[in-house]
Amino acid sequence: LAKTTQPISMDSYEGQEVNITCSHNNIATNDYITWYQQFPSQGPRFIIQGYKTKVTNEVASLFIPADRKSSTLSLPRVSLSDTAVYYCLVGDWGTGRRALTFGSGTRLQVQP
Amino acid sequence: GAVVSQHPSRVICKSGTSVKIECRSLDFQATTMFWYRQFPKQSLMLMATSNEGSKATYEQGVEKDKFLINHASLTLSTLTVTSAHPEDSSFYICSARSVAVQETQYFGPGTRLLVL
Repeated sequence: LAKTTQPISMDSYEGQEVNITCSHNNIATNDYITWYQQFPSQGPRFIIQGYKTKVTNEVASLFIPADRKSSTLSLPRVSLSDTAVYYCLVGDWGTGRRALTFGSGTRLQVQP
Repeated sequence: GAVVSQHPSRVICKSGTSVKIECRSLDFQATTMFWYRQFPKQSLMLMATSNEGSKATYEQGVEKDKFLINHASLTLSTLTVTSAHPEDSSFYICSARSVAVQETQYFGPGTRLLVL
């Protein structure tokens, strides 16, 4: 599985846009990029998944450049409730049998 | 859709006892479920992969006789911590893959285990 590198922590203020970048230089052709959010004492929550270019859903956008060696999770207008740890994961789970391997994640702190 | 539940949400037990944790996929079928463990301020660590109808595959360093996994149906996997000790105290999280919804895994809310 491709190794990922994320900033350990980030700080932001309410209402700002937050961009968290993840590096995955060894991403393979069949790999997808998936982001999860985790609050203390809760299981990770799926945010968004993509393969290339841009993906947008109701909570976030995911930008993936052409070489796919990095990706950026964009959270528009964050609120205090977005304070959490965000994990970027890369892998091919097409067979359904391979588990997700978690890196250290990015601890986002949103201040009023 | 794609909801995964765990029971119990938290459990306290005495050292030497066994504890069973259930993981259920509520609105989808999961041929494969995964068990993770998370210590405070750390990331999730994969313990084992549970396949319906077959033996679980354990990660290196995880004792299969201590952490018994049973995946008896397409919606239920159980993790039994046998002869629990204080060092087994942790946050246990299961996940399941939904082919029908999306090519990814969905996680349960976790089970907090405290061994006294």
